[in-house]
Amino acid sequence: EDQVTQSPEALRLQEGESSSLNCSYTVSGLRGLFWYRQDPGKGPEFLFTLYSAGEEKEKERLKATLTKKESFLHITAPKPEDSATYLCAVQPVGQAGTALIFGKGTTLSVSS
Amino acid sequence: DAGVIQSPRHEVTEMGQEVTLRCKPISGHDYLFWYRQTMMRGLELLIYFNNNVPIDDSGMPEDRFSAKMPNASFSTLKIQPSEPRDSAVYFCASSLALGLPLHFGNGTRLTVT
Repeated sequence: EDQVTQSPEALRLQEGESSSLNCSYTVSGLRGLFWYRQDPGKGPEFLFTLYSAGEEKEKERLKATLTKKESFLHITAPKPEDSATYLCAVQPVGQAGTALIFGKGTTLSVSS
Repeated sequence: DAGVIQSPRHEVTEMGQEVTLRCKPISGHDYLFWYRQTMMRGLELLIYFNNNVPIDDSGMPEDRFSAKMPNASFSTLKIQPSEPRDSAVYFCASSLALGLPLHFGNGTRLTVT
């Protein structure tokens, strides 16, 4: 069964304290892996797509990396405005018409 | 573009009542998805459409749930009769194709008492 597991469930950081969020996945084949950010009361907002192992994407203080088993979202010198829930999702390949499968997310709190 | 638009933002209803959630996808997006989000289970796919045709409804919990897409700019998710365990945030999303990013609306928070 296709599955996505995110860890930790919650993470508290001080402003400027870098860390990483993990997304482990089990799929028969991976078409793409997506990272989203979700603020309270809002829908998820797209951040990155990664398609193959070794690929990296960056946006401001965020960098996403991908291996054959997992993805990391690295947060460098976070600020309070980075506080949000970060969701990982996979698009399996090999099953025509399969939609994104989401993990439960990591809730990040950054204090000043 | 206004993005994906959902209505209402909040819905409070009593058990047994019919509930209808509405969604307007981004113009030109061929795919429309309905997801449900709870603390326990996270984001779960309920159903998705391609060019107004339902493709996968295996996530619809039971016959009380139904979804329609009468045209490219409108979709509804109906729950009849509603139950307290249906309380959740329901999201609509659209995309140009499978494998491309989903664009989400801001959801409908449903509370069934």
